[in-house]
Amino acid sequence: DAGVIQSPRHEVTEMGQEVTLRCKPISGHDYLFWYRQTMMRGLELLIYFNNNVPIDDSGMPEDRFSAKMPNASFSTLKIQPSEPRDSAVYFCASSLANQPQHFGDGTRLSIL
Amino acid sequence: RKEVEQDPGPFNVPEGATVAFNCTYSNSASQSFFWYRQDCRKEPKLLMSVYSSGNEDGRFTAQLNRASQYISLLIRDSKLSDSATYLCVNSGGSYIPTFGRGTSLIVHP
Repeated sequence: DAGVIQSPRHEVTEMGQEVTLRCKPISGHDYLFWYRQTMMRGLELLIYFNNNVPIDDSGMPEDRFSAKMPNASFSTLKIQPSEPRDSAVYFCASSLANQPQHFGDGTRLSIL
Repeated sequence: RKEVEQDPGPFNVPEGATVAFNCTYSNSASQSFFWYRQDCRKEPKLLMSVYSSGNEDGRFTAQLNRASQYISLLIRDSKLSDSATYLCVNSGGSYIPTFGRGTSLIVHP
């Protein structure tokens, strides 16, 4: 069975550039989550969707971050403009309600 | 107070040892509890769910104590391959899953 698919696996770009991270959840899952993980702050929930609708975006750091889920099989997390402090591993996860989340491999983002 | 708290460790134990981790949570409405394992530079992976009656999967035992609001993970006969970070997760009625910062386990020969 296909798991959660994220792309790209690695991204290195210069500050000020736009970064777009992509996620394909597991088919049939109605919840999708975006996380950021750093050594300092651990795993932080940025935003989550239920049936393609954003439910809670209180974890989004600032207006430079935006997320969309145009359909049940695709979501994006965009950072514009990017800054060095955005460097982290970004995970996407999906699940059914109150069931365990399944994580993608993550995107390792480095902003120079 | 953090919603989910774990001792970061590291717990450094020899092969064959028994080791236990606790995780406390503050949301009394929490309904679902899980333990995840995360290897270095990898994604978190589900280790086991935690049921009210407790559950066991081979060398791993998870328990829930609602009165004291904590969950535990016991690993018996530790293997080198058990070295990882163990994350606890809970979610409540509003279904905002909350991860702990994780407990690092190092099993040495």
